[in-house]
Amino acid sequence: GAVVSQHPSWVICKSGTSVKIECRSLDFQATTMFWYRQFPKQSLMLMATSNEGSKATYEQGVEKDKFLINHASLTLSTLTVTSAHPEDSSFYICSARHTGTVNYEQYFGPGTRLTVT
Amino acid sequence: EDKVVQSPLSLVVHEGDTVTLNCSYEVTNFRSLLWYKQEKKAPTFLFMLTSSGIEKKSGRLSSILDKKELFSILNITATQTGDSAVYLCAVGGSGTYKYIFGTGTRLKVLA
Repeated sequence: GAVVSQHPSWVICKSGTSVKIECRSLDFQATTMFWYRQFPKQSLMLMATSNEGSKATYEQGVEKDKFLINHASLTLSTLTVTSAHPEDSSFYICSARHTGTVNYEQYFGPGTRLTVT
Repeated sequence: EDKVVQSPLSLVVHEGDTVTLNCSYEVTNFRSLLWYKQEKKAPTFLFMLTSSGIEKKSGRLSSILDKKELFSILNITATQTGDSAVYLCAVGGSGTYKYIFGTGTRLKVLA
């Protein structure tokens, strides 16, 4: 149980285009999901907290107009990288907090590797 | 500002060795500390620690938290090449579900 999927697993896009990444909790409900990015050999940097039915909460320094987050259902959050540039190339990982548990354990998706050319 | 610091940054050992990985933190209203193992893709959960002095154990891995001194250690005994990975520590404060991750410790176990 507690499986999180991401789609796509990798994507290559041209500079200036937008890319949407999906994060789904497959067998549980998640009112809260998190989006991270990870550069090579670096740790996870939290970008934003995605809340079902409300606006996402962005971390300091993360442009909310560039990284659009939508959490329209209890099992799906999407991250759209708008007008992507090469510096947006990174590994994007989502995690979901299992609503049915009393602890705060997060279950991670497999990640999406974005390359902007 | 909340922060999580892990040490060492990297470590190379031989199979059979025992390793100790450290995680120190400064977080407002500490709630819990998580340990993850990351190989090629997303991190996989190892332990959650909320109470000081209580060891969590799973096979050759164990972890303990010291809330007074604000740190946790992750021990791996009888290391195997399959233990090679980056080990991440994450700490959460109360009033929020988010976690702050440390930079990780890259462990390489040689055969």
